[in-house]
Amino acid sequence: AQKVTQAQTEISVVEKEDVTLDCVYETRDTTYYLFWYKQPPSGELVFLIRRNSFDEQNEISGRYSWNFQKSTSSFNFTITASQVVDSAVYFCALSESKAAGNKLTFGGGTRVLVKP
Amino acid sequence: DAGVIQSPRHEVTEMGQEVTLRCKPISGHDYLFWYRQTMMRGLELLIYFNNNVPIDDSGMPEDRFSAKMPNASFSTLKIQPSEPRDSAVYFCASSLGPARDYEQYFGPGTRLTVT
Repeated sequence: AQKVTQAQTEISVVEKEDVTLDCVYETRDTTYYLFWYKQPPSGELVFLIRRNSFDEQNEISGRYSWNFQKSTSSFNFTITASQVVDSAVYFCALSESKAAGNKLTFGGGTRVLVKP
Repeated sequence: DAGVIQSPRHEVTEMGQEVTLRCKPISGHDYLFWYRQTMMRGLELLIYFNNNVPIDDSGMPEDRFSAKMPNASFSTLKIQPSEPRDSAVYFCASSLGPARDYEQYFGPGTRLTVT
């Protein structure tokens, strides 16, 4: 069975600090897909990134970067030079390749609070 | 496109009443998903449809819950009778294809309170 663990329930930082969100996953599948979603205070979930298990290259998008390490089953997310607008709950999610690949299993989420 | 539309945004009802949540997916999206979010259980997939056909309803908690998709532009999630433990935020999401291959676009959610 697939499982996603986000051990940090809440992180508080001061603006301009970097913040790293941890995500550890479990799956028996050799092909799988990892996602990050952001849930701002307004409530809707916003897609940030999708990664497949064959692509371990780190990715950077503006102030966001992701570090995927299969050896440790981790897909961590870093916000560089955080801003107040980054305050949100961030979810890591996993989807397997087989028939259950239409399901997203979400972690419990990490609430990020960026203080001015 | 207007995005995924859900109604109502907030619903307060008494225990035992029937509740119907509505969703309009993004035009052209073949997959529709219903999720429930609670503090205790986080985000859970309840059911999903492909081309209006329910594919997996294993996440539906009880027979009190039912979902339909009569056409490509409309889906409902019904709870009858409702109970206080059904209080949660219910999200509808749609995508062009399977969850593993395509991002899901989420609606704003319906916050349900059952008293």
